[in-house]
Amino acid sequence: DAGVTQSPTHLIKTRGQQVTLRCSPKSGHDTVSWYQQALGQGPQFIFQYYEEEERQRGNFPDRFSGHQFPNYSSELNVNALLLGDSALYLCASSSRQLMNTEAFFGQGTRLTVV
Amino acid sequence: GQSLEQPSEVTAVEGAIVQINCTYQTSGFYGLSWYQQHDGGAPTFLSYNGLDGLEETGRFSSFLSRSDSYGYLLLQELQMKDSASYFCAWNTGGFKTIFGAGTRLFVKA
Repeated sequence: DAGVTQSPTHLIKTRGQQVTLRCSPKSGHDTVSWYQQALGQGPQFIFQYYEEEERQRGNFPDRFSGHQFPNYSSELNVNALLLGDSALYLCASSSRQLMNTEAFFGQGTRLTVV
Repeated sequence: GQSLEQPSEVTAVEGAIVQINCTYQTSGFYGLSWYQQHDGGAPTFLSYNGLDGLEETGRFSSFLSRSDSYGYLLLQELQMKDSASYFCAWNTGGFKTIFGAGTRLFVKA
């Protein structure tokens, strides 16, 4: 079992550009959540996808959007990048059947906006 | 509002016991989880409390009191490798898990 995999691991973008991050959940998981983690801070909830729909959203602007595919993998898109979007972006997968009580995290994508 | 409060830093010596507290103000509370994150690594799940009381997993235990809106993580027989950040996380039982800001644990020889 490969666990949760994210790609790419590192990314450098310019202000105003758009970025797409990808996540494959752990085998058997049907729910994917995305988090933004700034240095020295806790993961901040962006949104969660289940059954290909965004089910819950944190306090993030509409520039942040996502998608979940039939195979449960997911993408996070960020438009009009700002310097403040520089962070580690974490994907976590879980099981809705288990009420998402235990999340498995990928190693994250380190996004740098210059 | 919804918030989880935990100390920013804790220092302890190898072999000792340390307790990391977490107090919360939330709505729709379902349970409290704990995660460990080493520098440069991903958070890893440690434990979950859905009911009041103590859950024990090896050297780690976690406690929850719903009436006090309080929980803690207890680490026993501390090892140098336990130096990491520890996060409590509020689970709604649905589609959201909210993390605290984390407690950085330093284990000294």
